[in-house]
Amino acid sequence: KNEVEQSPQNLTAQEGEFITINCSYSVGISALHWLQQHPGGGIVSLFMLSSGKKKHGRLIATINIQEKHSSLHITASHPRDSAVYICAVRRLSGGGADGLTFGKGTHLIIQP
Amino acid sequence: EADIYQTPRYLVIGTGKKITLECSQTMGHDKMYWYQQDPGMELHLIHYSYGVNSTEKGDLSSESTVSRIRTEHFPLTLESARPSHTSQYLCASSNSYEQYFGPGTRLTVT
Repeated sequence: KNEVEQSPQNLTAQEGEFITINCSYSVGISALHWLQQHPGGGIVSLFMLSSGKKKHGRLIATINIQEKHSSLHITASHPRDSAVYICAVRRLSGGGADGLTFGKGTHLIIQP
Repeated sequence: EADIYQTPRYLVIGTGKKITLECSQTMGHDKMYWYQQDPGMELHLIHYSYGVNSTEKGDLSSESTVSRIRTEHFPLTLESARPSHTSQYLCASSNSYEQYFGPGTRLTVT
């Protein structure tokens, strides 16, 4: 079983819909990252969370440390939001110079 | 805007060739990483560095090697490429808060 599980794996929605992507993890963490990967491979960091909630534009990320769960929400979704969204954790056990452990990603397609 | 660069972006090479994937960053970060991503799969950490002259293997075993002679430069080398090395290789650096990713090198070994 992967240490980081995301759901759904694939999501197709209509423009304007409210989107939720979920991430559960099974290890102690010091931080959780939400990343966006576009076709072509480049990765952009969206959020880094250690507690609570963060908002940036139409994106909102929340984390519940006790339940080991995080969600990424997109409000008023737009076709340009189409990408792979990846949850990644920095494990508390240390090592790896804070290298991340990744989920498999959620493929999001927003149709006009 | 992150200042981390990788070259080449795409590489198709024959079996047995030696290759070096370049990664450089201009942010002065001590921590740098190499991740490998097979098509449709998650990224895995293959190498990391805490700073100059520091290199360690990551979670995923890899036949590649890395070096860190300068803070800004973290190249990855495959002495003898094989088809099993076909993958995307992503370099990243960190200020211990955020990780910044390069655009990746898509390697195909024929």
